[in-house]
Amino acid sequence: QKEVEQDPGPLSVPEGAIVSLNCTYSNSAFQYFMWYRQYSRKGPELLMYTYSSGNKEDGRFTAQVDKSSKYISLFIRDSQPSDSATYLCATAGNMLTFGGGTRLMVKP
Amino acid sequence: EAQVTQNPRYLITVTGKKLTVTCSQNMNHEYMSWYRQDPGLGLRQIYYSMNVEVTDKGDVPEGYKVSRKEKRNFPLILESPSPNQTSLYFCASSLWRGEKLFFGSGTQLSVL
Repeated sequence: QKEVEQDPGPLSVPEGAIVSLNCTYSNSAFQYFMWYRQYSRKGPELLMYTYSSGNKEDGRFTAQVDKSSKYISLFIRDSQPSDSATYLCATAGNMLTFGGGTRLMVKP
Repeated sequence: EAQVTQNPRYLITVTGKKLTVTCSQNMNHEYMSWYRQDPGLGLRQIYYSMNVEVTDKGDVPEGYKVSRKEKRNFPLILESPSPNQTSLYFCASSLWRGEKLFFGSGTQLSVL
């Protein structure tokens, strides 16, 4: 079993939809949680960073962490075609562990 | 501008011909790392460095070498490339291990 599991998708949604991306992790020692966005053939870029259970909001993006269930989510409101990318969750204890990524396609 | 710079962006080579992919960061980060990314396999760590002259193996180190003689530079060396090393490579850095990682733009390597 991988330490961080993520549905690979692809997930296809119409423009304006609310998107929910999810990850589960197995190691309760993980303390920090991140979401990266990766456009095709580009380097991943940090989107959200949080270290506690609960919600963190940044514009149209909300990161949610539930440590009791070992479950992390990224919500995208009013999704745009420019949000089409692969989204990678990552958890950190003494090193970063990445999920496999979920490919998102937002259709105009 | 804070960034991780890796070169070249694209590289086509033949089996056995030694190559080096350079990586440089201007953020004074202690920690640097190399990843390869393959379809269906995600990001896999090759090597990492906690500080100057300190390097260690990641999950897939076979066939690769690294060095960390200066804080800002962390080159990836393939002494004798093979076709199974055809991949998209990323260099990344962070303040320390386990912190937010900043990635370079990637190097697409094809070994024929």
